[in-house]
Amino acid sequence: AQTVTQSQPEMSVQEAETVTLSCTYDTSESDYYLFWYKQPPSRQMILVIRQEAYKQQNATENRFSVNFQKAAKSFSLKISDSQLGDAAMYFCAYLMEYGNKLVFGAGTILRVKS
Amino acid sequence: NAGVTQTPKFQVLKTGQSMTLQCAQDMNHNSMYWYRQDPGMGLRLIYYSASEGTTDKGEVPNGYNVSRLNKREFSLRLESAAPSQTSVYFCASSMTRYEQYFGPGTRLTVT
Repeated sequence: AQTVTQSQPEMSVQEAETVTLSCTYDTSESDYYLFWYKQPPSRQMILVIRQEAYKQQNATENRFSVNFQKAAKSFSLKISDSQLGDAAMYFCAYLMEYGNKLVFGAGTILRVKS
Repeated sequence: NAGVTQTPKFQVLKTGQSMTLQCAQDMNHNSMYWYRQDPGMGLRLIYYSASEGTTDKGEVPNGYNVSRLNKREFSLRLESAAPSQTSVYFCASSMTRYEQYFGPGTRLTVT
């Protein structure tokens, strides 16, 4: 069974600085998708970024980018120029190529200091 | 567009009571999902429905039943609530497998 591990229960970053959240996963599949979701205090789950495993190029969305290392099964999220609104719980998630089931990590709480 | 809506937002039940959580989406999505979120854990899939008329078990289906009433609605029923079912419940929908849209969640407490 696929598993997703987020080893950092909590992280802090100063406003305007850069922070990296870690995620590793375990799978025997070669094709799959990886995601980062943001959950602010409102509880709403918001998709931040998606990476297709067959793509070598790392995905980017404005201030958010990933470092996808397929051989190492690592998928970290870098947030540049951190803003107060980035404070939230961040979840890493995995989806099989032909599956319907998202598998989530336990989450990392990100605190942004002003 | 309201997206994915869930009712109620909060609920307190006594052990043994039953209730149904409602979910509706107005995006014409084929697939719908129910997850639960517990402290210190990510979301876990309870049941999903790939299309109208079909449902499948997820990772933690015990103690729950679901109904895909039509393309828009997907309900989750607790027949006899237990304290272990205290959780936040999320409904989601998707057209493609890799883009799920989530509702605002229902916080359920079973005493």
